[in-house]
Amino acid sequence: ETGVTQTPRHLVMGMTNKKSLKCEQHLGHNAMYWYKQSAKKPLELMFVYSLEERVENNSVPSRFSPECPNSSHLFLHLHTLQPEDSALYLCASSQEILGMNTGELFFGEGSRLTVL
Amino acid sequence: QKEVEQNSGPLSVPEGAIASLNCTYSDRGSQSFFWYRQYSGKSPELIMFIYSNGDKEDGRFTAQLNKASQYVSLLIRDSQPSDSATYLCAVRGTSYGKLTFGQGTILTVHP
Repeated sequence: ETGVTQTPRHLVMGMTNKKSLKCEQHLGHNAMYWYKQSAKKPLELMFVYSLEERVENNSVPSRFSPECPNSSHLFLHLHTLQPEDSALYLCASSQEILGMNTGELFFGEGSRLTVL
Repeated sequence: QKEVEQNSGPLSVPEGAIASLNCTYSDRGSQSFFWYRQYSGKSPELIMFIYSNGDKEDGRFTAQLNKASQYVSLLIRDSQPSDSATYLCAVRGTSYGKLTFGQGTILTVHP
């Protein structure tokens, strides 16, 4: 069983819906990430939270809104998405040392999102 | 130019052979290099990392780094059908240590 759990595993939504993806890590890590994985494209980093502060926002459209209430939980709020946003959304966590991540990311199983 | 480039494959090798996976990167300031494996329908998991020029061996896996050529590779000896997966190359740059991933190489090991 993975130390990073994501819910829901599958989500179908219309373009006018509002939904949220949830991620929880049980590893005691201090950094959490959202990645987008689309077919035949590299993993795209969306957001990074370090010690519950957002340290990276990789030019992601405002229809994606992250929230990190504590070091164990991460949310991705979705609003008025487009069909091209359909993808696998992966949450990951890592341990930072002296402000730098170790490079070892622990991924959740992902949330498969389909936007109709 | 892609920041991290991999041949998407698929790469097909027979069981017992050596599988060679290659990756090039554009940021000369990159310091650390990682190989992740992703089975179909599963999440990526780290299998190797390398920081210094040369070879690093871990069981059947060998990572090779050549910073002058901006090239990193992964060799899998005695390939097994269970090695069939997508292999993702990741490079850590100088910006907060952000990992940049390649698109992955699909490896199929056939009996």
